[in-house]
Amino acid sequence: DQQVKQNSPSLSVQEGRISILNCDYTNSMFDYFLWYKKYPAEGPTFLISISSIKDKNEDGRFTVFLNKSAKHLSLHIVPSQPGDSAVYFCAATFRNSGNTPLVFGKGTRLSVIA
Amino acid sequence: GAVVSQHPSRVICKSGTSVKIECRSLDFQATTMFWYRQFPKQSLMLMATSNEGSKATYEQGVEKDKFLINHASLTLSTLTVTSAHPEDSSFYICSARDDDGGWGTGELFFGEGSRLTVL
Repeated sequence: DQQVKQNSPSLSVQEGRISILNCDYTNSMFDYFLWYKKYPAEGPTFLISISSIKDKNEDGRFTVFLNKSAKHLSLHIVPSQPGDSAVYFCAATFRNSGNTPLVFGKGTRLSVIA
Repeated sequence: GAVVSQHPSRVICKSGTSVKIECRSLDFQATTMFWYRQFPKQSLMLMATSNEGSKATYEQGVEKDKFLINHASLTLSTLTVTSAHPEDSSFYICSARDDDGGWGTGELFFGEGSRLTVL
């Protein structure tokens, strides 16, 4: 039973356009969500996060939106750049429950075409 | 920023041998570290939670006798794949949380990963 789902395995976007990566979760107890970027043969690097008490968090070109009622979050990258090409993982956790790990989605491979 | 170092980055071994992977937090203390495994085109799957000074907590389906975890200090956790077989070939990634940090900026730092190939 996958608690965090990224239903699009891949996405191609033209340079300069917006990239929208989607993520759905099933466990309503999750209260903190994160996006990680991963290059091949490297560990994930943190991009941006959002607490369940917010519905939007913005950091430069990256914005994460959270819709709790729909159990859905999305990562927007504007404008997209070729260097953004990577696999993006959505992750969720229970922040207030001690040292709990992250639950990851399967990832979406983003290709930004110049 | 905080750094987690993982070693070795690549290892090739013969079937039946054991392989040890180290995960170190370089500039922070981590009471808890997590070990993940990633198969090609798959997600990061949590294998176990490593706790300094106590036994690791394994996820369902992960053999604790095969994947030995030792967290002997606040900066080092090791994963030993015992009697490795070709099906153990995978990308293993550790992550560590800064004991002094919070969740405000996603303080779960990942190592670079270790590619294990069992022949």
